[in-house]
Amino acid sequence: AQSVTQPDIHITVSEGASLELRCNYSYGATPYLFWYVQSPGQGLQLLLKYFSGDTLVQGIKGFEAEFKRSQSSFNLRKPSVHWSDAAEYFCAVSSNKFYFGSGTKLNVKP
Amino acid sequence: SQTIHQWPATLVQPVGSPLSLECTVEGTSNPNLYWYRQAAGRGLQLLFYSVGIGQISSEVPQNLSASRPQDRQFILSSKKLLLSDSGFYLCAWSGADPSADTQYFGPGTRLTVL
Repeated sequence: AQSVTQPDIHITVSEGASLELRCNYSYGATPYLFWYVQSPGQGLQLLLKYFSGDTLVQGIKGFEAEFKRSQSSFNLRKPSVHWSDAAEYFCAVSSNKFYFGSGTKLNVKP
Repeated sequence: SQTIHQWPATLVQPVGSPLSLECTVEGTSNPNLYWYRQAAGRGLQLLFYSVGIGQISSEVPQNLSASRPQDRQFILSSKKLLLSDSGFYLCAWSGADPSADTQYFGPGTRLTVL
């Protein structure tokens, strides 16, 4: 069965520091992969998605993610975190339906 | 461009009362529609999805039901709310191919059952 694992429940980084959020998936073929962000009390906003082609995907708000087939991973990165990036981040995999990870809450220290 | 609306934004209801949450999509035709729930501190749980008018698939047995009376309208209902129905309810839509299309989410409804 397909599954998505986000091993870090909470992450705290200092403003200006780099960020990497981990996502691993279990799926037989090359999946479609997504990252969403959710601010408190809000819906989910799409950050970026990977369907095919270049394995390094650029998204909104300065985020990027790299698809690594050998590691079944799709980690989200940002070179310099801003305080406004504090939110919860969800990785998702699509086959015939969406599978979401359990989310990673990002705190940003001033 | 496409937009998705949910209302109400917040709702406080007593146990045993009925529920109706509404979701509408603009700017697209024949979307796939989804209802998710987020309980406090948890991820997203898919409750229902619909590929067309009157077509509803339930993912988990529960106290809730869904209906799709119009192409771009998706309603989540309950006859008698339970305390465990409290949570954040999200509606989403995608294109015709659920395997390949991105899901876009509404702003959500915060439901508190007392």
